[in-house]
Amino acid sequence: DTAVSQTPKYLVTQMGNDKSIKCEQNLGHDTMYWYKQDSKKFLKIMFSYNNKELIINETVPNRFSPKSPDKAHLNLHINSLELGDSAVYFCASSQGRGIEDYEQYFGPGTRLTVT
Amino acid sequence: GEDVEQSLFLSVREGDSSVINCTYTDSSSTYLYWYKQEPGAGLQLLTYIFSNMDMKQDQRLTVLLNKKDKHLSLRIADTQTGDSAIYFCATSPTGANNLFFGTGTRLTVIP
Repeated sequence: DTAVSQTPKYLVTQMGNDKSIKCEQNLGHDTMYWYKQDSKKFLKIMFSYNNKELIINETVPNRFSPKSPDKAHLNLHINSLELGDSAVYFCASSQGRGIEDYEQYFGPGTRLTVT
Repeated sequence: GEDVEQSLFLSVREGDSSVINCTYTDSSSTYLYWYKQEPGAGLQLLTYIFSNMDMKQDQRLTVLLNKKDKHLSLRIADTQTGDSAIYFCATSPTGANNLFFGTGTRLTVIP
């Protein structure tokens, strides 16, 4: 009974392709996030959505476009993939935006390799 | 923005205590978290502390917060080989809508 799930778990693709990573949470949370973890394990926020509304958009290239069809889903679409996009991408969710609601639950990650 | 720092590596012998340290810059951080990441897995919340507390104990885990020095530590008593993982400190500054993560500390437990 997975709380936050991501598909696919592994994604290998060539430079220039367009790919999507899907995320779903069954916790009834209002806020969802995408994080990027690079090869040195540094973890950085990319996007955050609250009730389908974008609330955080860090300095991420506009080749990355998040899409939230409903509050249980936050998908990440990446155009024109580059070698530097290779990383592990984590989806997370939390109850809300309030200070007391920052306990985030993470998905298992999607390892993207661009060749 | 918030800057969260941790040392990158820590090795301890099985049965000893481990102490993982973290410093942060934004004094408005209200909640401070410790996450554990095992190889090939996502992040698992271990524990958290509210900024008006100095210490929190949860079984083998003890979190100490020195708000004046903006220093957070995680002590793991009787460290086991299963504790080998990367441990991330994270903060949530007031007004921010996300967590700021430290660089992670890779804990290696030697049998």
